[in-house]
Amino acid sequence: KQEVTQIPAALSVPEGENLVLNCSFTDSAIYNLQWFRQDPGKGLTSLLLIQSSQREQTSGRLNASLDKSSGRSTLYIAASQPGDSATYLCAVLALSGGYNKLIFGAGTRLAVHP
Amino acid sequence: NAGVTQTPKFRVLKTGQSMTLLCAQDMNHEYMYWYRQDPGMGLRLIHYSVGEGTTAKGEVPDGYNVSRLKKQNFLLGLESAAPSQTSVYFCASRDRAYNEQFFGPGTRLTVL
Repeated sequence: KQEVTQIPAALSVPEGENLVLNCSFTDSAIYNLQWFRQDPGKGLTSLLLIQSSQREQTSGRLNASLDKSSGRSTLYIAASQPGDSATYLCAVLALSGGYNKLIFGAGTRLAVHP
Repeated sequence: NAGVTQTPKFRVLKTGQSMTLLCAQDMNHEYMYWYRQDPGMGLRLIHYSVGEGTTAKGEVPDGYNVSRLKKQNFLLGLESAAPSQTSVYFCASRDRAYNEQFFGPGTRLTVL
């Protein structure tokens, strides 16, 4: 059964710091991995999508890597800002229970303080 | 291009009442989903649809029904609301080619 784990559960850093969020999954048979951001009381915003054949994707200050063989992904945030404070979720698209579904981690709650 | 929209944003129901949540997407996506998000439980899939006229059960379908009469709309119905259905409901859609999933802003439902 596919399980997704995110470490750490919470992180507090000063503004300007570079940081890494970790995501691991138990079964390498995935179609892709997607990183989302969720602000309190809001929906999920897609940040980056890495197809199973890709190793990384970049968008602005964000860089996500994927190592399918080891079941790991990292989200690197450069020069963090208070506006980056949110919960970050990773999810893998995989076959589970007879259909393709997104399987989510529990998220990392990030606080960037000035 | 509005993406995925949900109506209403907030709703309070009494136990036993019924209601329908509407999800609309303007990206011509084949797949659509309804999730609920509860503290400590994460996102759980209620129902999904792989195309117009088709629906299927997810992880937690009991107490909910869905319909996909038009490709752009996916409706979630509660026939007889219960306090256990107090939650935030998210709709999402996914394209067949690239498989990126997009979420709506959510509906916060309270059942008294």
